[in-house]
Amino acid sequence: DIQMTQSPSSLSASVGDRVTITCRASQRISSSLNWYQQKAGKAPKLLIYAASSLQSGVPSRFSGSGSGTDFTLTISSLEPEDFATYYCQQSYSTLRTFGQGTKVEIK
Amino acid sequence: QVQLVQSGAEVKKPGASVKVSCKASGYTFTSYDINWVRQATGQGLEWMGWMNPNSGNTGYAQKFQGRVTITRNTSISTAYMELSSLRSEDTAVYYCARVKGYSYRFDYWGQGTLVTVSS
Repeated sequence: DIQMTQSPSSLSASVGDRVTITCRASQRISSSLNWYQQKAGKAPKLLIYAASSLQSGVPSRFSGSGSGTDFTLTISSLEPEDFATYYCQQSYSTLRTFGQGTKVEIK
Repeated sequence: QVQLVQSGAEVKKPGASVKVSCKASGYTFTSYDINWVRQATGQGLEWMGWMNPNSGNTGYAQKFQGRVTITRNTSISTAYMELSSLRSEDTAVYYCARVKGYSYRFDYWGQGTLVTVSS
């Protein structure tokens, strides 16, 4: 299976900060990488697909980049509603896998 | 509007099986793959398997091979995930999710079903 490793596992940030989360694949996956946001007690929500395409309805402060093995999710200016856990997911292999998650907490 | 509505919480004893349903509405059920993902309390998302509702073809994560079966009933637009030989480590919230497009992204999710395994 393709292993997905996110860093950091958690971070503390303030409203208005620029936040970057990294996801690394154990093998090349082209641009087959999606990002999700999950809040406590809720189902995950799709933010970014195909590494850099913004899902309809998602604020433009969210962006994604990367290809091959290294990917990033960036929140340009953190809003109060962005405090959550973020997951990457590879869709290159038919055996889909998620990263372990990055929790974004209030500083 | 697209909705995936899952069955209610379950409590099972170790060694038993559980079958969770996921009823789709608002779109053509056979046109989009369904995947199952689980999440233990305080843990991350764990992908379990996929199904093409049109063909019935499935694929499972190696960890669950032999214990998980994903099926469907197209007449009622419902997918099912059955997990057997339950153990305490299977206590988790189980989600179904619809797949969209070439990027195989999960664009709609069910509300989740808590399965508790306890003697």
